[in-house]
Amino acid sequence: KNEVEQSPQNLTAQEGEFITINCSYSVGISALHWLQQHPGGGIVSLFMLSSGKKKHGRLIATINIQEKHSSLHITASHPRDSAVYICAVRAEGGSQGNLIFGKGTKLSVKP
Amino acid sequence: NAGVTQTPKFQVLKTGQSMTLQCAQDMNHEYMSWYRQDPGMGLRLIHYSVGAGITDQGEVPNGYNVSRSTTEDFPLRLLSAAPSQTSVYFCASSYSGTISYNSPLHFGNGTRLTVT
Repeated sequence: KNEVEQSPQNLTAQEGEFITINCSYSVGISALHWLQQHPGGGIVSLFMLSSGKKKHGRLIATINIQEKHSSLHITASHPRDSAVYICAVRAEGGSQGNLIFGKGTKLSVKP
Repeated sequence: NAGVTQTPKFQVLKTGQSMTLQCAQDMNHEYMSWYRQDPGMGLRLIHYSVGAGITDQGEVPNGYNVSRSTTEDFPLRLLSAAPSQTSVYFCASSYSGTISYNSPLHFGNGTRLTVT
């Protein structure tokens, strides 16, 4: 059983649409990361959160610790948002090395 | 700042050859790690280090060696390459690896390795 599940696996949207990517996990955590992997392969950290909500530009990340669930929202999506979005959790009591990664959600935004 | 620098970007090896993937960071980060990324799977931890002179195994350490003689560098050595090691490898660092501290990860651009 995967400890970090992302949905959907693939997502196609039209430019301007509001997008939601979900991440569910089964372990107690101390932090959750959202990462973006560009088509060229590079990985960028978008958010790190342990409670509540964070916003950066058109991106919003929320987390519900009780429900073991996080969402990444993209408002007014643009073709440059096309990427793979990866959720990763750091288990409670675990070292920074013990991140558990989801398999990623591949987003394609069409103009 | 250069951030996390990984070299080479691409590499083709024959079975049995050895090589070293280089990773350097200029952010004075304590924590450094190596991951491999395979199709249909999440990133998997190979080895990590929480400071100079300290290394530990991750989820998939077999066939790989690491050392951390300086804060800046964390090379990954393939001792005798096998086709199963064909993958994309990422080095990542963060400010602190201690249990009580969470910090964002900074990734290198990846090394695409093919073993024939």
